[in-house]
Parts: sequence; C-alpha cells; structure tokens
Amino acid sequence: AQSVTQLDSQVPVFEEAPVELRCNYSSSVSVYLFWYVQYPNQGLQLLLKYLSGSTLVESINGFEAEFNKSQTSFHLRKPSVHISDTAEYFCAVTRVGGYNKLIFGAGTRLAVHP
Amino acid sequence: GAGVSQSPSNKVTEKGKDVELRCDPISGHTALYWYRQSLGQGLEFLIYFQGNSAPDKSGLPSDRFSAERTGGSVSTLTIQRTQQEDSAVYLCASRTSGGGDNTGELFFGEGSRLTVL
Repeated sequence: AQSVTQLDSQVPVFEEAPVELRCNYSSSVSVYLFWYVQYPNQGLQLLLKYLSGSTLVESINGFEAEFNKSQTSFHLRKPSVHISDTAEYFCAVTRVGGYNKLIFGAGTRLAVHP
Repeated sequence: GAGVSQSPSNKVTEKGKDVELRCDPISGHTALYWYRQSLGQGLEFLIYFQGNSAPDKSGLPSDRFSAERTGGSVSTLTIQRTQQEDSAVYLCASRTSGGGDNTGELFFGEGSRLTVL
C-alpha cells in the first residue's frame, strides 16, 4: 500500500518570495508521483508529474518538483510566487503498472499575500 | 461537454434520506473514479470503474454507499440513509485508458458538495 504525507497544512507567503511545499511518500513498490492544484471554486488540475528519467520536473507556470528516491520525497518549489498561485496543492502517488488509483496527501493551502 | 460534469453542485439533505450524485465523464474516457474530499482529510478514494465494471470498490466506506456506471459513460454514486459524517465534497475523475497504462492525467469535475443536516 502507498501513503502520502504533506507536512504543512497551510503555508502563508508574501508575493515574489520563494516557496517549498513538502511531500513525503511511503511505498513498497515503484510509484509515479504527481502534484495537483485546486484553485478556489474549481476542480483539481494536474500541475506536474514524475514518471521516469530526470528527477527534476517542471510545470508551465514556474513550479518544479524533484523526486528524491532515497528520501522518498517529492517537494514542490517555486522561486517567486504570485497572488494567482493561491490555491490548495495535493501531492499524490500511484503504483507503477496499476490503474492510476491515486493516493493523495491531505493537501497544503498556499496563501500568497501582497 | 469539454470537461467532467457533476451534478448537483450542492445538495443539502436530512439525515436518513437517500441521495444520488451524478458524473458525466469526458467523452471517450473509459476509466472513471470517485473520490471524497472531507475538510482537512485530503482526497479519499472510493471506487474505480473500467467501462461499466468496478474492479476496485475498496474505498466505499459502508454498504450504504453504492455506485454504477451505464453505457461506459455516466456514473451515479448513491448514498442510502445518509449520516452527518457523509457530509463532504464528492469528486469524480476520468481518464483516457484503463488497464496497465497509468501514466495518464486524471481529469476532475468540480465536485458535488453534500451537506447532511
């Protein structure tokens, strides 16, 4: 079985500051890793994913995440946040070779202040 | 429509009543998932459909919960004799293929918010 721990339930940050949202996972088998974002009053959207290859993956809006197998982590980072990044961010894993049953963390609410 | 559609968007019901929540996946998506999002709990997997069959129902919390899918498209989640702890947002997601290909993105609807009084 897999599990995901998001270490921070809320992260307040000022605009243009850097941010890191932490995610650790537990699994006895190989997994794929995902970050989903939920903007206010909207559904979840895929932000980025790690399947294989380079351990650093990037999104189109400046976020990046690095897969660290030894630390079983997949932290999400952005060097300079905008007000529009205010949202809830969910880390998720799924077993390689399965049917994409995503196991989600509890979420981290990112609040960007001017 | 272009995305996953869920209805109703909001449902308020009294304890003990039955409710039905509907999901229209993206056309052509064979895999469909139901999740429950409770305050502070993240997203809890409920059930997975591949076509009209449900090979994984392991997340349904009790026998009051059931789901079906017809025509490989629309799915209905039914909660019988609702309890206050059933209050949550119920999310539906779909994706393009099932089986062993799980590298695809899940597309989520906006959810149905259920409040049980």
